Amino acid sequence: QQPVQSPQAVILREGEDAVINCSSSKALYSVHWYRQKHGEAPVFLMILLKGGEQKGHEKISASFNEKKQQSSLYLTASQLSYSGTYFCGTEYLIQGAQKLVFGQGTRLTINP
Amino acid sequence: DAGVTQSPTHLIKTRGQQVTLRCSPKSGHDTVSWYQQALGQGPQFIFQYYEEEERQRGNFPDRFSGHQFPNYSSELNVNALLLGDSALYLCASSLGGGGYTFGSGTRLTVV
Repeated sequence: QQPVQSPQAVILREGEDAVINCSSSKALYSVHWYRQKHGEAPVFLMILLKGGEQKGHEKISASFNEKKQQSSLYLTASQLSYSGTYFCGTEYLIQGAQKLVFGQGTRLTINP
Repeated sequence: DAGVTQSPTHLIKTRGQQVTLRCSPKSGHDTVSWYQQALGQGPQFIFQYYEEEERQRGNFPDRFSGHQFPNYSSELNVNALLLGDSALYLCASSLGGGGYTFGSGTRLTVV
């Protein structure tokens, strides 16, 4: 039930782009993306609902392919502040209630 | 606007003891979810509370129990602590189908 994220780790130079993928074997209600910096709480980035929508947040955007049960997070022209571990959370509807399950995370390191 | 508040921030307990962790949700949020996060891992879902009832539960033993109060605050109780229960416990609040706001967590060490 836990979504699978890839890659597990990425190292970039400032200004480069990155894509983080998240896939699920179960039908999804929505996909969440969070960033967690070392020693801090996860911070909500965006949520994507069924319908194949794409959302953006500054230079960070995401897409959700409902048919493939996959989501991708795009980081454009990365900044040093983007470093951290990114988690996708896949939300399922079980007996009318939502359940958010997180992947194992993708560690992103941005070097100057 | 205060976010999610968790207490205590750190806790050291002896194997076999019981522990209670507390969470105050973000103002306006009515749903509280609890997660366990081991070092280098993603948060693992423990359970979710809404309208003072446990609505969803993850793959955790009955030693893990919780409660939600009328003011939406919540408690996580763990009985008969094991060394493997050592982790960061995160509380997250939400409203409807929106994003989750996480607290800074309680670092539990079982010795």
